[in-house]
Amino acid sequence: EIVLTQSPATLSLSPGEGATLSCRASQSVSTYLSWYQQKPGQAPRLLIYDAYNRATGIPARFSGSGSGTDFTLTISSLEPEDFAAYYCQQRGNWPVTFGQGTRLEIK
Amino acid sequence: EVQLVESGGGLVEPGGSLRVSCAVSGFTLSNVWMSWVRQAPGKGLEWVGRISSETEGGTSDYATPVRGRFTISRDDSKNTLYLQMNSLKTEDTAVYYCTRARGAGPLYYFDSWGQGTLVSVSS
Repeated sequence: EIVLTQSPATLSLSPGEGATLSCRASQSVSTYLSWYQQKPGQAPRLLIYDAYNRATGIPARFSGSGSGTDFTLTISSLEPEDFAAYYCQQRGNWPVTFGQGTRLEIK
Repeated sequence: EVQLVESGGGLVEPGGSLRVSCAVSGFTLSNVWMSWVRQAPGKGLEWVGRISSETEGGTSDYATPVRGRFTISRDDSKNTLYLQMNSLKTEDTAVYYCTRARGAGPLYYFDSWGQGTLVSVSS
């Protein structure tokens, strides 16, 4: 089973700043890596699929990059509604697995 | 508009059974792969299992912790997905999310999610 390690566990930033979240896979998943946002009490929402494709309705300030084992989710300028938990997920090898999450909090 | 609405969660004793449902709208259930993902309280996300589209045989696949105990089925005429859970354990306590599984290639990502239904396993 592929293990996804997200870093940092918690990221404290202010609105307007840029955010960089990392996801590292224990073996290559090609570009089969997705990102989800989850706010407290809500279901996760797909942000990015297959490393760099924004899902429908996702603002352009969210971007994804990477391939193989190292991936990055970048939020160019944080809006108040962006403070949430973020999870990566791989679909390159059975079973699909998720990272443990990064909590993005207001500084 | 795509909507997935789960129901049927609740409190059950260890060893018991429960069936949760997911009513979908805004797309044709028979044409898509569907999956269940769970989240234990305060924890991360865990894939539970999936069922393929009717046109691809309606086969199912399960994560190791639930294989042999959980069964996913689908009633396309009712646009409803089911998760039958037997021999429940305390570690199955979680919010269970119904998701639509997408993507060409080996496996899938999850582009639409229900609001979740809480299953608590406790004596």
